Amino acid sequence: DIQMTQSPSSLSASVGDRVTITCRASQSISSYLNWYQQKPGKAPKLLIYAASSLQSGVPSRFSGSGSGTDFTLTISNLQPEDSATYYCQQSYSTLLTFGGGTKVEIK
Amino acid sequence: QVRLQESGPGLVKPSQTLSLTCTVSGASTSSGDFYWGWIRQPAGKGLEWIGRIYASGSTVYNPSLKSRITMSVDTSKNQFSLRLSSVTAADTAVYYCARSVRSCSSTTCWDKWFDPWGQGTLVTVSS
Repeated sequence: DIQMTQSPSSLSASVGDRVTITCRASQSISSYLNWYQQKPGKAPKLLIYAASSLQSGVPSRFSGSGSGTDFTLTISNLQPEDSATYYCQQSYSTLLTFGGGTKVEIK
Repeated sequence: QVRLQESGPGLVKPSQTLSLTCTVSGASTSSGDFYWGWIRQPAGKGLEWIGRIYASGSTVYNPSLKSRITMSVDTSKNQFSLRLSSVTAADTAVYYCARSVRSCSSTTCWDKWFDPWGQGTLVTVSS
């Protein structure tokens, strides 16, 4: 199995801050990396696919980068509605796996 | 707009079989461009991919659950289903169905990303 490790597991930031979440794969996954946002009691929502492509309708303050084993999700100009848990997911292997999640709280 | 909706019992007894159905609207389960998958999430924990099915009925399951899973698709009803046998309390979770984009090379095909997801349904395993 490809293990996906996210850091930090949680963070607290202020409105307007720039936030970076890291996801590391246990082996190279090229750019087969997706990011999801999950709010309490809701299903995950696709934010970024193929490491850096912004899903339609997602605000441009969200961006993704990386390839190989190291990836980042950046939220620039953090907004109150960005309070959520963020998950990375690899699609390199047939056995799809997710990171453990990063909970973003607004100060 | 594509929508997925899970349905099924919210309470299952230990050792019995969990059965869920996902009804798709706004898209066709017979489409060759997508897989149809299941993901679960225990309370307060992360996401676990269960498996996926293609319009032809071909399946790929998570090896950790493979011996207990059966997935099926009914393209006439635009639905796909999950059965998980011999459940225990560890199977208590919110179960999501989701569509995944299918991509193929000359030799193989694979899932790319999940979009959209159903709203999820809580299944509790308890006597």
